[in-house]
Amino acid sequence: NAGVTQTPKFQVLKTGQSMTLQCAQDMNHEYMSWYRQDPGMGLRLIHYSVGAGITDQGEVPNGYNVSRSTTEDFPLRLLSAAPSQTSVYFCASRQGRTEAFFGQGTRLTVV
Amino acid sequence: GQQVMQIPQYQHVQEGEDFTTYCNSSTTLSNIQWYKQRPGGHPVFLIQLVKSGEVKKQKRLTFQFGEAKKNSSLHITATQTTDVGTYFCAGKSGGYQKVTFGTGTKLQVIP
Repeated sequence: NAGVTQTPKFQVLKTGQSMTLQCAQDMNHEYMSWYRQDPGMGLRLIHYSVGAGITDQGEVPNGYNVSRSTTEDFPLRLLSAAPSQTSVYFCASRQGRTEAFFGQGTRLTVV
Repeated sequence: GQQVMQIPQYQHVQEGEDFTTYCNSSTTLSNIQWYKQRPGGHPVFLIQLVKSGEVKKQKRLTFQFGEAKKNSSLHITATQTTDVGTYFCAGKSGGYQKVTFGTGTKLQVIP
C-alpha cells in the first residue's frame, strides 16, 4: 500500500494563477481532509470529506475548493492564488475514529 | 468553534532532560490523539486516548488524558536527539467528524 500520496511536492505560483493539489489514498478510508501548516499556527483544517460526494468546510476554507468524486481522490483547488496561501499543505485520511495518515505534503509558494 | 491550544510553543532541552507538552481544549473531547512531525516531514500518529484519566506509555513517552477530557499531556523522560520534532495533539468533539489539531510544541534537544 502506498498510503496517502500527494502531488506535487513543491510548487511556485504567481499571484492570480489557479492550480490543483492532488491527493490519493489506497486504504479505502471514508474520511479525507486537507490542512495547511504555517509557523506557530499548527495544522488548520481547510476542507474535509466523510465520503464520496460529501464535503464540508473547515476552519480556513476561503480561496479553496474541493470535490470527492471517488473514495480514493480528494483534490484541493486554489481558485486564484494569493501570497497569503503560501504554506505547506497536507492531505490526510482515516477510517472512523482511528489514526490519521498524512501525505508527504506540498510546499506551495505564491509570488 | 473548538480550539485546541498547546504550551509551550517551543522547548529547548539538554539531552537527558525531561520534557512535557500540554494540550488544552475549549470543549470536551471524545478522544485525543498525539502526532510527531520530524523536521521537513509529515505528522505521524503516536497514540490515541479515549477514557477519562487514561494514561498510556510508550517506552520513554507517557501520555495522559485529563479527568474532564479537556486536556492532555505528553511527557518524555530522558530526551534523546531522536526526539527532536514538533508534537501535536488532535481532538475530536462529540459526533463531529472534524478533528482539530493543536498549535504544536517544537522540541529541540541539545546534545
